[in-house]
Amino acid sequence: NAGVMQNPRHLVRRRGQEARLRCSPVKGHSHVYWYRQLPEEGLKFMVYLQKENIIDESGMPKERFSAEFPKEGPSILRIQQVVRGDSAAYFCASSPGGLTDTQYFGPGTRLTVL
Amino acid sequence: AQTVTQSQPEMSVQEAETVTLSCTYDTSESDYYLFWYKQPPSRQMILVIRQEAYKQQNATENRFSVNFQKAAKSFSLKISDSQLGDAAMYFCAYRSAYNFGNEKLTFGTGTRLTIIP
Repeated sequence: NAGVMQNPRHLVRRRGQEARLRCSPVKGHSHVYWYRQLPEEGLKFMVYLQKENIIDESGMPKERFSAEFPKEGPSILRIQQVVRGDSAAYFCASSPGGLTDTQYFGPGTRLTVL
Repeated sequence: AQTVTQSQPEMSVQEAETVTLSCTYDTSESDYYLFWYKQPPSRQMILVIRQEAYKQQNATENRFSVNFQKAAKSFSLKISDSQLGDAAMYFCAYRSAYNFGNEKLTFGTGTRLTIIP
C-alpha cells in the first residue's frame, strides 16, 4: 500500500522564483491537508482541501501562496516569488474524510530559498 | 482557538526504562481528538497513538500508552521499555470533533527524546 507521496523531497529556489510542491494522497483518500514546519518548530496548518474545493485556508498566507486539489492528479502547493522566510519543511497529509479519520502524513518537501 | 503546550523541549531516558512526555491543551470544546506523532531524523511524521475525548479509557498501542485527564486538559505519553528506535521528536496534536471544515490539527512545539544506550 502506497502512503502519501510528496515530491520533490528537496527543492532549492532563489529569491523571486516559484516553488511547486506536489502531494499524492493515499489511494482512496479525498481529503488533503498542508502543514508547514519552520526550523525547530512544530507543524502549523496551512490549508485543507477536498477534490476541487478549498475547505479551510485559514492558515495560508494571503499573498504568494495558493493550493489546489484537482479532480485528477496530485494536490499542488504553489509559492510565488519565494523569500528566505519561506524556507521550511512542507508536509502533506491525507484522510478518507470524516471527523473521526486520522491524517496520514507524507515525508515532506524541504524547501530552501537562497 | 485551541492551543497545545509541550513544556519539555528535551527528555532523555535510559534504554529499557520508562519515560513520560507531557502535553496540555486548552479548548472550550467538549468533544475532540488527541494524537501523539513521532518525527524521527528522517522527518517523516508517524502516528503513535490517538485518543477520543469521549472515551474514558486510556488508549494503548504496545509499549505506548497515554494518561488522558480530561478535566485537567492533560494528555501525557508513556513509553515503556524504551528502545533506541524511539529516539525522535514527539508532537502532541489536537483536533476538534465539531463542524465540517474544522479537521485541522493543532500541534505543540514538540519534545526531543534521546535514548541513552
